[in-house]
Amino acid sequence: AQKITQTQPGMFVQEKEAVTLDCTYDTSDQSYGLFWYKQPSSGEMIFLIYQGSYDEQNATEGRYSLNFQKARKSANLVISASQLGDSAMYFCAMRENFGNEKLTFGTGTRLTIIP
Amino acid sequence: SAVISQKPSRDICQRGTSLTIQCQVDSQVTMMFWYRQQPGQSLTLIATANQGSEATYESGFVIDKFPISRPNLTFSTLTVSNMSPEDSSIYLCSVTARAGFSEQYFGPGTRLTVT
Repeated sequence: AQKITQTQPGMFVQEKEAVTLDCTYDTSDQSYGLFWYKQPSSGEMIFLIYQGSYDEQNATEGRYSLNFQKARKSANLVISASQLGDSAMYFCAMRENFGNEKLTFGTGTRLTIIP
Repeated sequence: SAVISQKPSRDICQRGTSLTIQCQVDSQVTMMFWYRQQPGQSLTLIATANQGSEATYESGFVIDKFPISRPNLTFSTLTVSNMSPEDSSIYLCSVTARAGFSEQYFGPGTRLTVT
């Protein structure tokens, strides 16, 4: 079974609109972390935001926020006021088992911002 | 945040040869990891680089093919041995400062093409 599922292979969004990228996860652990990364065409992986399973509030970092719904096992990334530079691949990832820091990645969503 | 450099940034290699990729971090980190991203795919963990001991490999990856060294807390190498065109990928080094830390960073990646 997929541990991280991103159901949107590609999305097109008008500049300045908000966009939500979906991510659902599957784990039996109580302690886990969820990450979002941005990968532009250059190939680098840019860390965007983190949500711990015990964090009571949704994480926010500038224009990025994470809509964490623990009971539904979803961790959607919300980008407000999208910009042309937001066009990239976006990956959701999960870290399970405290002490084992490896990340399991979803298949990614290619976001294209339209001027 | 940690600053991570990788060398080389890209290379084109012939089938049957080997390439060693270096990862240097500007601060001491507990954990270092090597990931592979095949064309159009997501990231897959190859191994965890352990300081002073043998790396821990994920299922499907073996030491003979991907030998890893980690002589200290700021440096690691990954060798891709006896290369074939299927090894054409982006190889990324990743670090986290400590277990359970909320941030995990990636190097800029090494884009490898095997002909």
